[in-house]
Amino acid sequence: SQQGEEDPQALSIQEGENATMNCSYKTSINNLQWYRQNSGRGLVHLILIRSNEREKHSGRLRVTLDTSKKSSSLLITASRAADTASYFCATDAPVGGYNKLIFGAGTRLAVHP
Amino acid sequence: GAVVSQHPSRVICKSGTSVKIECRSLDFQATTMFWYRQFPKQSLMLMATSNEGSKATYEQGVEKDKFLINHASLTLSTLTVTSAHPEDSSFYICSAARLAGASETQYFGPGTRLLVL
Repeated sequence: SQQGEEDPQALSIQEGENATMNCSYKTSINNLQWYRQNSGRGLVHLILIRSNEREKHSGRLRVTLDTSKKSSSLLITASRAADTASYFCATDAPVGGYNKLIFGAGTRLAVHP
Repeated sequence: GAVVSQHPSRVICKSGTSVKIECRSLDFQATTMFWYRQFPKQSLMLMATSNEGSKATYEQGVEKDKFLINHASLTLSTLTVTSAHPEDSSFYICSAARLAGASETQYFGPGTRLLVL
């Protein structure tokens, strides 16, 4: 079964607004990663946060990790129409004896001009 | 940066035929490659993990005789969908990692869209 659950499933905002997506997971992790996927395309790696980190920034992206609640959030500030995409969290964790990435269900973000 | 390519990008085939998808790491040696499947508006599901020179490890529910994986070199892994059926229509994405068993840093290919008629 999938490790991560994301909410909301879909998010529609206006340009300039902030977008927040949440991810929850079930087991201990090595790290958590966020990816972006434009429709019908491959994945773009956005940011990785390790289990001993609580917050990380990269440009307009801010990721938090709360291992006690087994949750993470991705904040995109000052959104642009070009941010329209699906966003996935992925947990890197030992499963079945070796490490693997398990993806959440994703959030479909639509940013309207 | 590390680049991973997939070929073909799109393929349409008749039911019952076999389709081979290639995944190449263009500028680094990939000890481990991963194959994922993504149905429309769904997430990526890991199908199998392959290490160069050894048999692939398949996830629960993935038929190894239907999805043949070969990782014969450090830059190439292939996924063959044998006797494809319409329900195999999906987006197949590979990723590559430099280190054996390393899942942390995976470089993803652009994906292959398979349509089985």
